[in-house]
Amino acid sequence: DGGITQSPKYLFRKEGQNVTLSCEQNLNHDAMYWYRQDPGQGLRLIYYSQIVNDFQKGDIAEGYSVSREKKESFPLTVTSAQKNPTAFYLCASSIGRAAGANVLTFGAGSRLTVL
Amino acid sequence: GESVGLHLPTLSVQEGDNSIINCAYSNSASDYFIWYKQESGKGPQFIIDIRSNMDKRQGQRVTVLLNKTVKHLSLQIAATQPGDSAVYFCAENSRYSGGGADGLTFGKGTHLIIQP
Repeated sequence: DGGITQSPKYLFRKEGQNVTLSCEQNLNHDAMYWYRQDPGQGLRLIYYSQIVNDFQKGDIAEGYSVSREKKESFPLTVTSAQKNPTAFYLCASSIGRAAGANVLTFGAGSRLTVL
Repeated sequence: GESVGLHLPTLSVQEGDNSIINCAYSNSASDYFIWYKQESGKGPQFIIDIRSNMDKRQGQRVTVLLNKTVKHLSLQIAATQPGDSAVYFCAENSRYSGGGADGLTFGKGTHLIIQP
């Protein structure tokens, strides 16, 4: 089955630690995205990548970093600089920047809790 | 369908009834709209989309209506089933965003509860 795999599903972090969330897709999609979801709020874009070895900041990139060394993979690192990292993180992909390419396929999410 | 604060609007309907979930948008340049369904603890799933050159689009048991005059979008679910219980949210994209999904703006969502 084609899809997006996020891991881990649950993650606990102590303050001051960096953590990396994994996102892998086998849909052959060009574009990948990271969103943050907080209770009662809409999805907010953290980072996105339209092509390998290139990525752009979204609306709330501060305290996060990403890499896109392979088409299939787009890991997100939540750094100690992120002041309020407890949230549900969603990875998504789409066919890329083309007419009608707005349909996102989402992973199952990773819930990060800071202790 | 939009909420203020931490609590989502909730719509409770009887199983078998029709549901209507609403979404207001403010950007007059928005030309593409999409509805997602998110079950508890899972990622969102695509339901249906519509472009601004249409007023209505139908899928399987779902219909999306777009009223550009009042900037309002609605999702109608026919003959609701227990599996329809989820959070539903809309997203919009502007013709000026370049066409990529990075231009999507997401609503906060409505929690649909199906009563037996």
